[in-house]
Amino acid sequence: DIVVTQSPGILSLSPGERATLPCRVSQSVSSISVSWYQQRPGQAPRLLIYAASSRATGIPERFSGSGSGTDFTLTISRLEPEDFAVYYCQQSRIFGQGTRVEIK
Amino acid sequence: EVQLLESGGGLVQPGGSLRLSCTASGFTFSTYTMIWVRQAPGKGLDWVSTVTGTGATTYYADSVKGRFTVSRDNSKNTIYLQMNSLRAEDTATYFCAKDRGGSGWESDSWGQGTLVIVSS
Repeated sequence: DIVVTQSPGILSLSPGERATLPCRVSQSVSSISVSWYQQRPGQAPRLLIYAASSRATGIPERFSGSGSGTDFTLTISRLEPEDFAVYYCQQSRIFGQGTRVEIK
Repeated sequence: EVQLLESGGGLVQPGGSLRLSCTASGFTFSTYTMIWVRQAPGKGLDWVSTVTGTGATTYYADSVKGRFTVSRDNSKNTIYLQMNSLRAEDTATYFCAKDRGGSGWESDSWGQGTLVIVSS
């Protein structure tokens, strides 16, 4: 079975800094099957990136996705206050454990 | 604007049953695959089930296979999740989500969720 791993579980950064969130899949997969979501406390998840690198409708340009094979990355170029949240990587039907981006 | 509204959650005893509903608006419902995802309190996202636009094909996580049944009524723009033989570990907020419609498995719209608590 495929395993999706997001590490670290918590990333402590300051507003304005760059955030790099890795996602590792236990076997090589098609980039089409990888997406990223943001979840703020008490809210539903929001699709940020699909097909590894395509931004969803209405998502700011500071969010970008990259990667192929087994290693994928979500990058937030400059953290805004509203970006402090939990981010999930999804491969096909499988979600990673999430990375919490917290204010340092 | 796409809207998804879940209902049917609540407190149920172990071994009991519950049926969740998700009513959609703002898009051509019958042409989209729909998904159920759950989130245990303080935990991550966990895919539960998927139903294609016609309802002809369904998929389930191993953890719910044989106990949960997903269905849809396209005349009512609604999907359902019939949950039987509920266990404590099924306690979670259940979200319904709309498939984006591309080649992957991403969901581009989500409801706010309905909470299911399995406890005696």
